[in-house]
Amino acid sequence: AQSVAQPEDQVNVAEGNPLTVKCTYSVSGNPYLFWYVQYPNRGLQFLLKYITGDNLVKGSYGFEAEFNKSQTSFHLKKPSALVSDSALYFCAVRENNAGKSTFGDGTTLTVKP
Amino acid sequence: GAVVSQHPSWVICKSGTSVKIECRSLDFQATTMFWYRQFPKQSLMLMATSNEGSKATYEQGVEKDKFLINHASLTLSTLTVTSAHPEDSSFYICSASDGSGTDTQYFGPGTRLTVL
Repeated sequence: AQSVAQPEDQVNVAEGNPLTVKCTYSVSGNPYLFWYVQYPNRGLQFLLKYITGDNLVKGSYGFEAEFNKSQTSFHLKKPSALVSDSALYFCAVRENNAGKSTFGDGTTLTVKP
Repeated sequence: GAVVSQHPSWVICKSGTSVKIECRSLDFQATTMFWYRQFPKQSLMLMATSNEGSKATYEQGVEKDKFLINHASLTLSTLTVTSAHPEDSSFYICSASDGSGTDTQYFGPGTRLTVL
């Protein structure tokens, strides 16, 4: 069975500071990992994904994530946070080509000016 | 990127009536579509997976006779909430993928259902 954990319900950072939203996963095979962002009353927007290759993945809006196999983590990062980055972030994992993704509980990111 | 639309964006209905929500992939063919339900400040709960031309696969605990899913074409899937009750009020989100193996799920904007 696959699972994903986002250990922080809430992350607060000041504008201009780096941000990290944590995600750890568990799968029995090779993981496909995804990050999505959700703004209020909206659907999820795709940010980035890791399938294979370089462990550092760059995505939309200046976000990046690093795949760490030994720590089974896929933390989302951004060097300089913007107030507009404030939203709900979801990490998701899929085992190979299973077709069904498991989502974390979400982390609310608040960036203060 | 790929675009997925949902209609309506919000709907209010009386208890006992049925409501149909449409999910469309606008610029790609979606071999697989997923329907999720999201409660306030909670994660997405997968309700069912639908593949074009075949019956949907429902997750455990989801009543297939209450939540009817039809995936009649490669660009359209519908979710019908039958005999809706206030406890069915929720945010329903669909997603679509092109089934290419390493595909990404692209999400619709969601439909807010309120049952009075």
